[in-house]
Amino acid sequence: QKEVEQDPGPLSVPEGAIVSLNCTYSNSAFQYFMWYRQYSRKGPELLMYTYSSGNKEDGRFTAQVDKSSKYISLFIRDSQPSDSATYLCAMSAGGSGGGADGLTFGKGTHLIIQP
Amino acid sequence: DAGITQSPRHKVTETGTPVTLRCHQTENHRYMYWYRQDPGHGLRLIHYSYGVKDTDKGEVSDGYSVSRSKTEDFLLTLESATSSQTSVYFCASRQGAIGYTFGSGTRLTVV
Repeated sequence: QKEVEQDPGPLSVPEGAIVSLNCTYSNSAFQYFMWYRQYSRKGPELLMYTYSSGNKEDGRFTAQVDKSSKYISLFIRDSQPSDSATYLCAMSAGGSGGGADGLTFGKGTHLIIQP
Repeated sequence: DAGITQSPRHKVTETGTPVTLRCHQTENHRYMYWYRQDPGHGLRLIHYSYGVKDTDKGEVSDGYSVSRSKTEDFLLTLESATSSQTSVYFCASRQGAIGYTFGSGTRLTVV
């Protein structure tokens, strides 16, 4: 079993719909949880991050972390065609003083918002 | 992408030849990373650096080496390229716990 599992999709929804993207993980040491958005032929860009369990909201985006279930989610409200991209979950165990060994990524979910 | 540039952006090389990819950052970040991205696998860590001349292996390090002689430069070398190393390579640097910045990637094809 990989450390981080993410359904690759594609996930196709109509414009205006609420989108739910999810990842599960197995490593209890993960403390930092991130969502990256990647457009075609571009590098990943950080969309949201959460430390430990809880919710975080930023405009149309909400990130949720449930450490007891080892499950994280990203919700997109009022989805727009410009939201069409690949969404990658990523996790890290370390803080600024340690955990040098980078992020562990899910495979990414390809999201298509139909106009 | 702001702060990180990768070169070249595209490269086609022949099996068995050495290849070096370059990553240059202007953020003065201590930590730097090389990832490869393949369909069905997502982003996987190849090597990382936690300071000048300090590097370590990641998940998929076989066939790759790295060097970091200056804070701003992190080089990835394929000593003898193979077709299995055809991929998109991303460099990243980090400040703090979550401040990762990724480059735009190098698309490498080994024929």
